[in-house]
Amino acid sequence: LAKTTQPISMDSYEGQEVNITCSHNNIATNDYITWYQQFPSQGPRFIIQGYKTKVTNEVASLFIPADRKSSTLSLPRVSLSDTAVYYCLVVRYSSASKIIFGSGTRLSIRP
Amino acid sequence: KAGVTQTPRYLIKTRGQQVTLSCSPISGHRSVSWYQQTPGQGLQFLFEYFSETQRNKGNFPGRFSGRQFSNSRSEMNVSTLELGDSALYLCASSLEGHSNQPQHFGDGTRLSIL
Repeated sequence: LAKTTQPISMDSYEGQEVNITCSHNNIATNDYITWYQQFPSQGPRFIIQGYKTKVTNEVASLFIPADRKSSTLSLPRVSLSDTAVYYCLVVRYSSASKIIFGSGTRLSIRP
Repeated sequence: KAGVTQTPRYLIKTRGQQVTLSCSPISGHRSVSWYQQTPGQGLQFLFEYFSETQRNKGNFPGRFSGRQFSNSRSEMNVSTLELGDSALYLCASSLEGHSNQPQHFGDGTRLSIL
């Protein structure tokens, strides 16, 4: 599975748009890009998943360029409650549900 | 629809003891995976069960074992506990266990070893 690299931490302010970029240079054809969010003492929560171009849901957008070697999670108009750790993962469609988590990005939102 | 339920939420044990943790997946989900989370090592995959069979396993010693029942509920057992086993143990379920299906996590069992 492709290794991912993302910033260790980021800071932003309430109301701003936050973009977290993840690089996955060795992504394979069958791989999908998935993002999870985790609050302290809680399990990770699925945010969004994509294969190419752009995916949008009610909480975030995911931008994936044509070469798929990187992706950007975009959180519009963040609030204090978006302070959390965000994990970028590359997952492969297979019968095995083994997910490799990286170190994640610790996002801190200030008032 | 109820989420993934893990019991107990907190547990304190001493070295050498054994422990059993329980996980009830979302109704209809057949795949259950277990993870260990520590400040030093982050989130690490332990194993995955599907239809009562262990389908995938991480790099943990044999002291860590699990099983899945016919109703998809799963248990994880750790024998001969060591101080380093102190961690948050997370269970996740998904429909069929394919890696591109979102996994739904419980809030974990925090195990402390004295």
